[in-house]
Amino acid sequence: GESVGLHLPTLSVQEGDNSIINCAYSNSASDYFIWYKQESGKGPQFIIDIRSNMDKRQGQRVTVLLNKTVKHLSLQIAATQPGDSAVYFCAESLDKVIFGPGTSLSVIP
Amino acid sequence: EPEVTQTPSHQVTQMGQEVILRCVPISNHLYFYWYRQILGQKVEFLVSFYNNEISEKSEIFDDQFSVERPDGSNFTLKIRSTKLEDSAMYFCASSEGGGRITEAFFGQGTRLTVV
Repeated sequence: GESVGLHLPTLSVQEGDNSIINCAYSNSASDYFIWYKQESGKGPQFIIDIRSNMDKRQGQRVTVLLNKTVKHLSLQIAATQPGDSAVYFCAESLDKVIFGPGTSLSVIP
Repeated sequence: EPEVTQTPSHQVTQMGQEVILRCVPISNHLYFYWYRQILGQKVEFLVSFYNNEISEKSEIFDDQFSVERPDGSNFTLKIRSTKLEDSAMYFCASSEGGGRITEAFFGQGTRLTVV
């Protein structure tokens, strides 16, 4: 069946360091992936997406890497700031969005 | 910037009562979704809706749940007889071109507490 999972449930980083959040997926047919950020008490917020014809996509301070061979995604956040503290979900976007379990990122000032 | 809006932000109801959660999707979007998130857990798909009908639903979305688009702007989720385990955050989402084409945008959620 379809499943998206995360390797690390929690991550703590020092302010200013880079953060890397990893994600595995199992559905080889998945061709569109999204990273969402969820702050406490709020809804998932779109961060960045990537399609399977790409292996890297960059946004503002964020980069998503896709390795289709091993069905692995990662989200890199450069110069992590306190405002980056949140739960991050990778998601497969098929006919619906399928969320992974989430990684909680804590930024230490 | 356009956004998905949900009301109320918090709803407390007694077990067995009916609740209606309301959503206003982004105006040019055609695909609508409801998700729920039990505290501390992942976001779970409930139902998708397109062209005035349900296109897919999960096993969570049983006969107690229904969705409706009563007019051109609102999208509602009704729970007929709430149970304690229905307590969760409920998120509405919409997308322009369907999940494989464009990203889904989520509302801020309605926190449903069943007592």
